[in-house]
Amino acid sequence: GESVGLHLPTLSVQEGDNSIINCAYSNSASDYFIWYKQESGKGPQFIIDIRSNMDKRQGQRVTVLLNKTVKHLSLQIAATQPGDSAVYFCAEMGQGGSEKLVFGKGTKLTVNP
Amino acid sequence: AAGVIQSPRHLIKEKRETATLKCYPIPRHDTVYWYQQGPGQDPQFLISFYEKMQSDKGSIPDRFSAQQFSDYHSELNMSSLELGDSALYFCASSSLGPGEGTQYFGPGTRLLVL
Repeated sequence: GESVGLHLPTLSVQEGDNSIINCAYSNSASDYFIWYKQESGKGPQFIIDIRSNMDKRQGQRVTVLLNKTVKHLSLQIAATQPGDSAVYFCAEMGQGGSEKLVFGKGTKLTVNP
Repeated sequence: AAGVIQSPRHLIKEKRETATLKCYPIPRHDTVYWYQQGPGQDPQFLISFYEKMQSDKGSIPDRFSAQQFSDYHSELNMSSLELGDSALYFCASSSLGPGEGTQYFGPGTRLLVL
């Protein structure tokens, strides 16, 4: 079945530390993965994406790693800031040609000053 | 940059009433998606439209219907509302057609059914 899940529901880090948020997906047919950040009462905000033909992609302070062998996705945030506090969702697309996003359960990141 | 616009932002309805949620995609985006997010849950896909035609359907109840208009805005119509319909409803839009572009989300409509 379709399932995108996160290993940890909550993550607490100190300001300035690096954060790593993990995600396991079950459908090897998915070919597009996205990380979204959702602040309380707001819509999911696009952070970074990666296609299945890549294993790493970097953005500004963020890096996404894709390990297709173990069906694992991670989001690394460098020098985490209080403004990074939010719920982070991984999402996958491409199951059976569908364009719908299948979201994981979300990890709540709290950055302590 | 222009973002996805949703209205209303908040809506309170009674059981068995109807509700209409509106979504205005980012300019030049041709695909619209609707998602429902219950409290503490991840967003669940409901339905999508491309060039005014339904392109995919998810776990949308038969009591709900949606359409995309010629100006690409979309409306989600919800009838016979139930308490369990209380949730955040997000619209997302993308360009390049279904599944080809990044989906950008609007701020959502918070629906409360009493």
